[in-house]
Amino acid sequence: EAQVTQNPRYLITVTGKKLTVTCSQNMNHEYMSWYRQDPGLGLRQIYYSMNVEVTDKGDVPEGYKVSRKEKRNFPLILESPSPNQTSLYFCASSLQGGTYEQYFGPGTRLTVT
Amino acid sequence: GQNIDQPTEMTATEGAIVQINCTYQTSGFNGLFWYQQHAGEAPTFLSYNVLDGLEEKGRFSSFLSRSKGYSYLLLKELQMKDSASYLCAVRGLNTNAGKSTFGDGTTLTVKP
Repeated sequence: EAQVTQNPRYLITVTGKKLTVTCSQNMNHEYMSWYRQDPGLGLRQIYYSMNVEVTDKGDVPEGYKVSRKEKRNFPLILESPSPNQTSLYFCASSLQGGTYEQYFGPGTRLTVT
Repeated sequence: GQNIDQPTEMTATEGAIVQINCTYQTSGFNGLFWYQQHAGEAPTFLSYNVLDGLEEKGRFSSFLSRSKGYSYLLLKELQMKDSASYLCAVRGLNTNAGKSTFGDGTTLTVKP
């Protein structure tokens, strides 16, 4: 089944404790992206990757890191999480950037206390 | 930059037709997308416009006017399961092809 998977689905952590949210897709998509969704603010793009080893900032990259060492995986790293990073995170992929629809993972609900 | 506006909430009756509008200000974009998002779930792709005009997919249609900076999603024969948030989004052009901007979404409630 073609899908985007994220892990973990739910995470409660404390300020400053480094964490990684994994994202994997099995559709051989070149493009992958991370979003956060907060009430009243919609989906905001954090980072995206046009292909392996090619990443770039979205609209809200502060406090996050990403890497794209393999085509299928695009982990999101929070080196020192803070309470304002409490949010619902979605990973998405598409065949390429630009004109293609995105397929979203199920989401990761992160709480930082 | 890109800015997208949608109504926050709409209510409609089962079996009726509803139009959800989206206006945008952007320096250029590759295509305009509509996604559906049920509460607590991931967005799923509904429709896409790159040229002006109407795209029809079953009960859902989407319209784009680039000159007016305007799009709408039309849902016909509304069903209770259509109660969801509808997101309008644009994807960037050329060197911004990786950029993706979403509106805040329109929460549609379908009543019996």
